Amino acid sequence: AQSVTQPDIHITVSEGASLELRCNYSYGATPYLFWYVQSPGQGLQLLLKYFSGDTLVQGIKGFEAEFKRSQSSFNLRKPSVHWSDAAEYFCAVGQGAQKLVFGQGTRLTINP
Amino acid sequence: SQTIHQWPATLVQPVGSPLSLECTVEGTSNPNLYWYRQAAGRGLQLLFYSVGIGQISSEVPQNLSASRPQDRQFILSSKKLLLSDSGFYLCAWSVRAGGSTDTQYFGPGTRLTVL
Repeated sequence: AQSVTQPDIHITVSEGASLELRCNYSYGATPYLFWYVQSPGQGLQLLLKYFSGDTLVQGIKGFEAEFKRSQSSFNLRKPSVHWSDAAEYFCAVGQGAQKLVFGQGTRLTINP
Repeated sequence: SQTIHQWPATLVQPVGSPLSLECTVEGTSNPNLYWYRQAAGRGLQLLFYSVGIGQISSEVPQNLSASRPQDRQFILSSKKLLLSDSGFYLCAWSVRAGGSTDTQYFGPGTRLTVL
């Protein structure tokens, strides 16, 4: 069965520092991969997605992610975080049949 | 542009009472619709999804049911709430794209507390 692992439950970084959130997936075919962000008490907002083509994907709010098939990974990066980036981040893989499987999420805290 | 609405935004209900949460989508036709539950500190659990009016697939056995009376309306219901039904309920929609996966777009959510 398809699965998504986000190894880090909680990450704290300083404002202005670089960020990398890890995501590993298990899926037999070419995956459809997504990153979403959720602010407290809000719905999920799509940051970026990978379907095919260039393995480095640019998203909104200065985020990017790189698909690495050999490592079954789709890590999210940002060169310099802002206090407004504090939120929970979810990685997801398309399961076919038009469904997504989500990771457990990584909560990001920003130190001033 | 497409928008998705959920109501109510928050709800406090006693154990054993009924539940009805509503989700509507504007600006698109024939969407796939989804209900998720997010328990405190946990990820998203897919509860139901629908590819058309009256077509509901249940992902996990539970105390809840879903209905799709109109193309862009998705309702989550329960006859008798349990304490374990507390959580954050999210509705989402996606373009119906055959058997492939497309992006899901989420509503603002409903916070349900069962006391």
